[in-house]
Amino acid sequence: AQKVTQAQTEISVVEKEDVTLDCVYETRDTTYYLFWYKQPPSGELVFLIRRNSFDEQNEISGRYSWNFQKSTSSFNFTITASQVVDSAVYFCALSEENTGNQFYFGTGTSLTVIP
Amino acid sequence: DAGVIQSPRHEVTEMGQEVTLRCKPISGHNSLFWYRQTMMRGLELLIYFNNNVPIDDSGMPEDRFSAKMPNASFSTLKIQPSEPRDSAVYFCASTPRGPSNTGELFFGEGSRLTVL
Repeated sequence: AQKVTQAQTEISVVEKEDVTLDCVYETRDTTYYLFWYKQPPSGELVFLIRRNSFDEQNEISGRYSWNFQKSTSSFNFTITASQVVDSAVYFCALSEENTGNQFYFGTGTSLTVIP
Repeated sequence: DAGVIQSPRHEVTEMGQEVTLRCKPISGHNSLFWYRQTMMRGLELLIYFNNNVPIDDSGMPEDRFSAKMPNASFSTLKIQPSEPRDSAVYFCASTPRGPSNTGELFFGEGSRLTVL
């Protein structure tokens, strides 16, 4: 079973629009960690954020914000006023304390911001 | 501080040849991961090490793949013999984790392998 589901395969938005990338996870652990990574066209994987299961506070960093809801097992990522430089593939990931800290990545969402 | 260093960045080889990919994790990081990325299968975990010991190699596709971590600062992923379907980008990542400290993965820039 897929532990991390990113149902949106591809999204296109026009510059300055807001966009939300969905991430749903599955775990039985009480202690786990959630992550978002960005992979721009150049190919490297860039860490964006980490959240632990005990901290449901939403986080904002500039134009980026994350909404963590344990009740729906979701960790969604919103980009406000999108820019062309936001065009990338975004991966959500889960790490569970009881599985030896193995990381599980979603299949990624490809975001294209059209100028 | 240097990040995770992978070599080679690009490798083109012919089917049947041996391929060795190398990774130097960030100093002080005690967990190391090898991932493979393809369009069809996305990011797949191949193997990961904690304190140089392989913990889970269930993602290694078959016996043609092997990975070693002889010391804390070096790991190799070897494919012998290589096949065209092994063409992919191979990422190495490390993290400074203990048993109950799950930090983020720091990725190298990847090794793009093309097997003709």
